[in-house]
Amino acid sequence: DAGITQSPRHKVTETGTPVTLRCHQTENHRYMYWYRQDPGHGLRLIHYSYGVKDTDKGEVSDGYSVSRSKTEDFLLTLESATSSQTSVYFCAISLGGEQFFGPGTRLTVL
Amino acid sequence: GESVGLHLPTLSVQEGDNSIINCAYSNSASDYFIWYKQESGKGPQFIIDIRSNMDKRQGQRVTVLLNKTVKHLSLQIAATQPGDSAVYFCAEPRNTGNQFYFGTGTSLTVIP
Repeated sequence: DAGITQSPRHKVTETGTPVTLRCHQTENHRYMYWYRQDPGHGLRLIHYSYGVKDTDKGEVSDGYSVSRSKTEDFLLTLESATSSQTSVYFCAISLGGEQFFGPGTRLTVL
Repeated sequence: GESVGLHLPTLSVQEGDNSIINCAYSNSASDYFIWYKQESGKGPQFIIDIRSNMDKRQGQRVTVLLNKTVKHLSLQIAATQPGDSAVYFCAEPRNTGNQFYFGTGTSLTVIP
């Protein structure tokens, strides 16, 4: 997994509660990404980062925010979770033109 | 806009047979493609890539073919094994930010 960990790996929460997912990498990669994966949609980009405090929106960024205060950590926050945000979330880093993925976080919003 | 798609959502093959998974793309300017394998409960893993100046690239038991005329690429797995059971999808780069478009995937099931 190119030194990428995600936490938590599983989470169940209720509608309206805030949720933060963490991606941690150990190899000083500049680019980091958050995706969600849903049946029939493949991987869709939520937000990405190209350096500390440098982030930008992806194609499905509504309802999500991110922060990157240090190189190794990229946080994804759902300010007020909704059932439509039930999904599997993957973090990725970019290395040599390829993307390497973390193990994923399965989030269920009831 | 650009899109990456797959012809078949599921594929079942007998162990030992060869598998072929297809992918269509729409951006003729794409110069690089990647195939990923995703096992159940895990993140996608890089299998093989190919640049647009190539028609074919071989790896260990896998071959990727690129047909730029019809904007199609395929992943061939030789002598398919039970451990090959997974979802396979292709990816092509977007124009900015080291980003990729990902296909929805084909689920390969290997029958022992």
